[in-house]
Amino acid sequence: KAGVTQTPRYLIKTRGQQVTLSCSPISGHRSVSWYQQTPGQGLQFLFEYFSETQRNKGNFPGRFSGRQFSNSRSEMNVSTLELGDSALYLCASSYTSGVSYEQYFGPGTRLTVT
Amino acid sequence: AQKVTQAQTEISVVEKEDVTLDCVYETRDTTYYLFWYKQPPSGELVFLIRRNSFDEQNEISGRYSWNFQKSTSSFNFTITASQVVDSAVYFCALSDAPNDYKLSFGAGTTVTVRA
Repeated sequence: KAGVTQTPRYLIKTRGQQVTLSCSPISGHRSVSWYQQTPGQGLQFLFEYFSETQRNKGNFPGRFSGRQFSNSRSEMNVSTLELGDSALYLCASSYTSGVSYEQYFGPGTRLTVT
Repeated sequence: AQKVTQAQTEISVVEKEDVTLDCVYETRDTTYYLFWYKQPPSGELVFLIRRNSFDEQNEISGRYSWNFQKSTSSFNFTITASQVVDSAVYFCALSDAPNDYKLSFGAGTTVTVRA
């Protein structure tokens, strides 16, 4: 079974630009969660999508958004990039919503904002 | 509020030594899950274990073992006879019933195993 895939793996953007990251969950998984990892703040929950609906959202500004498609693939978008958005963005997929099921993480997308 | 504390920032050991990673958690809920993840240099978080709050049995999986003590709110992780491949950042995480959609991670402990 293929694992969680994220594209692109690396990205360099300029302040003020926007970016879209993609996550393909494990086949059969319907829940996708996104996390941001930075040296200063550690791993923080961004949002969760289940059956094309955003079910939960962390404490991030509205510049961070996402969506999920009918095949469970998910994208997250960050608009008006700031230097502080430089981070490793990880997505995790799970069979269903809630961490009572194992969450499998992808390799991440490393975003650098200059 | 949920909180996970991993007091050890970095641990360095020589191969074959045992290493224990501490994890202390805070939650007001009686139903919660505790996790350990490993993050090797490649960046991917690798799931190691999930334990629910009603199961206090210790667990052993190969060279890995976990000690869950509700009385001290701790969920410690021991690697026995460490190997160079164990070098990674290890995260403890918590999810409680009101927030069961997300993991709250500790700051992580970097383990370096020297040959």
